[in-house]
Amino acid sequence: DAAVTQKPRYLIKMKGQEAEMKCIPEKGHTAVFWYQQKQSKELKFLIYFQNQQPLDQIDMVKERFSAVCPSSSLCSLGIRTCEAEDSALYLCSSSQFGGDSYEQYFGPGTRLTVL
Amino acid sequence: GDSVTQTEGLVTVTEGLPVMLNCTYQTAYSDVAFFWYVQYLNEAPKLLLRSSTDNKRTEHQGFHATLHKSSSSFHLQKSSVQLSDSALYYCALSQQGTGSKLSFGKGAKLTVSP
Repeated sequence: DAAVTQKPRYLIKMKGQEAEMKCIPEKGHTAVFWYQQKQSKELKFLIYFQNQQPLDQIDMVKERFSAVCPSSSLCSLGIRTCEAEDSALYLCSSSQFGGDSYEQYFGPGTRLTVL
Repeated sequence: GDSVTQTEGLVTVTEGLPVMLNCTYQTAYSDVAFFWYVQYLNEAPKLLLRSSTDNKRTEHQGFHATLHKSSSSFHLQKSSVQLSDSALYYCALSQQGTGSKLSFGKGAKLTVSP
């Protein structure tokens, strides 16, 4: 099985604080995605990196989040000012460029609680 | 944009009986792949099935699905569920090619009862 690592697994922040979570994609994967999952409901796409460059993101990420992939082995997603609505499971996935399946492998997620 | 509509909410099935989770979609693209992901409690979503071929049955772990482009559907079925099948199931699609985000349905929580 592919292994995408996410840290921390749990994060608790007060409203207004900054939050940061990290993702280590599967070795050799060049595409990295972030998704938000609220209360075991639908997974919402946030941002996509290819070869460490952000190529697609939703408006919310542009406005309130900071996301970077400083190396092929580490990406981070940050929230500049946490709000209660940001409480969710943040899932990182990666996939390999090329091939037929383009399967995305997910990490276990960082569960953010904003109080 | 792309959209996925699937059986959502709670689905309860007795062990040994069949189950079908519906999934229909809308997309403007022709080169699209379709997925079923399963997420067990406190675990990451894992790929269960994938297809991009019209009218071809895909099977894995006792589950199967057939993509029908004529009806824009990719329903998930299993003839005899097990207790271990209890999980969240998501239907998703993406444009073919790396870098294409997954568009998910809202998910269905399958609970298999003894």
